[in-house]
Amino acid sequence: QKEVEQDPGPLSVPEGAIVSLNCTYSNSAFQYFMWYRQYSRKGPELLMYTYSSGNKEDGRFTAQVDKSSKYISLFIRDSQPSDSATYLCAMKKSSGDKLTFGTGTRLAVRP
Amino acid sequence: DVKVTQSSRYLVKRTGEKVFLECVQDMDHENMFWYRQDPGLGLRLIYFSYDVKMKEKGDIPEGYSVSREKKERFSLILESASTNQTSMYLCASSPPHQPQHFGDGTRLSIL
Repeated sequence: QKEVEQDPGPLSVPEGAIVSLNCTYSNSAFQYFMWYRQYSRKGPELLMYTYSSGNKEDGRFTAQVDKSSKYISLFIRDSQPSDSATYLCAMKKSSGDKLTFGTGTRLAVRP
Repeated sequence: DVKVTQSSRYLVKRTGEKVFLECVQDMDHENMFWYRQDPGLGLRLIYFSYDVKMKEKGDIPEGYSVSREKKERFSLILESASTNQTSMYLCASSPPHQPQHFGDGTRLSIL
């Protein structure tokens, strides 16, 4: 079993929809949680960075961490065609700098 | 803005060749990382370095080596390229205990 599980999609939604992307993990030592966005033929770009449980909002994006359930989410409000990309969750322990990634969810926002 | 530059976007090499992939970052980051990204497997860590001339094996180091002679430059070396090393290679850098920033990748094909 992988340490981090992420549904690969693809997820297709109409423009303006609220999108929910999720990851589950098995290692309770993970303390830092990240979401990266990766456009086709580009490298991953950091979207959100959170520590421990709770919510963090940045514009149309909200990251949510529930450590008791070992579950993290990224919500995108008012989705746009420009949000079409692969979204990768990543997490790390409090010691060290190694990241463990999910396999990514491909999102398509239809105009 | 952090800039991580990978020397080639696309590279085609032959089985048995020695292959060098170069990565340069301009933010004086201590940490540098090499990953490969394959469909369904996500990002897997090959090697990382937390200081000049220091290196640590990641999850899949077999068939690879690295060199870090200067802080800004981290090279990945395929000692004798094989077809199963055909992949997208991503370089990243970060300060200690901070999120990683990625380059746009090198798509390597081994024929």
